Amino acid sequence: GAVVSQHPSWVICKSGTSVKIECRSLDFQATTMFWYRQFPKQSLMLMATSNEGSKATYEQGVEKDKFLINHASLTLSTLTVTSAHPEDSSFYICSAGTGEDYGYTFGSGTRLTVV
Amino acid sequence: GNSVTQMEGPVTLSEEAFLTINCTYTATGYPSLFWYVQYPGEGLQLLLKATKADDKGSNKGFEATYRKETTSFHLEKGSVQVSDSAVYFCALRNFGNEKLTFGTGTRLTIIP
Repeated sequence: GAVVSQHPSWVICKSGTSVKIECRSLDFQATTMFWYRQFPKQSLMLMATSNEGSKATYEQGVEKDKFLINHASLTLSTLTVTSAHPEDSSFYICSAGTGEDYGYTFGSGTRLTVV
Repeated sequence: GNSVTQMEGPVTLSEEAFLTINCTYTATGYPSLFWYVQYPGEGLQLLLKATKADDKGSNKGFEATYRKETTSFHLEKGSVQVSDSAVYFCALRNFGNEKLTFGTGTRLTIIP
């Protein structure tokens, strides 16, 4: 079946630095990828939708200059958290689909801790 | 707009008990409905889905039936196991819309 690989699975960084998270579709081409943020014991909050070769569409309240999303190919999307602060600490999850699916395949998530 | 309401957890059951996790939705048109499961420290996995009224999705002993008249998609399992301990999310997607709308999730713990 479809597999989405997300890397790294966890990362600790210092406040003020930037962190890049990768999301790869391993055995299919993903025309659309989604980035979610999940707070402890809460549901997933959609941050942005990225389509290959075009700019990401951010949800209301998500800072596009802080959370940079690049979807340069049909198998790779990246999320860069710029100038990270402790309040950015969270579990970030990506998902990918061909656009023809009824559901999407999710990555295993990245736990970001900013100290 | 779309919304998904799940029963609040946490839910704790003994092994082999019967499980029901309620899910109701509000949507325009005729959405597809999903249950996702998240095991500790992992991302979400699609558990089952249904794309039209009266469809029954099933997987790993779990079942859910798309009830248009009650706008519900309740998750059931006849005999739960310790390995079913996880967080379960109900979700919907409207035809022609790429976005998934999630419920708040229900944490399930099964004790031996």
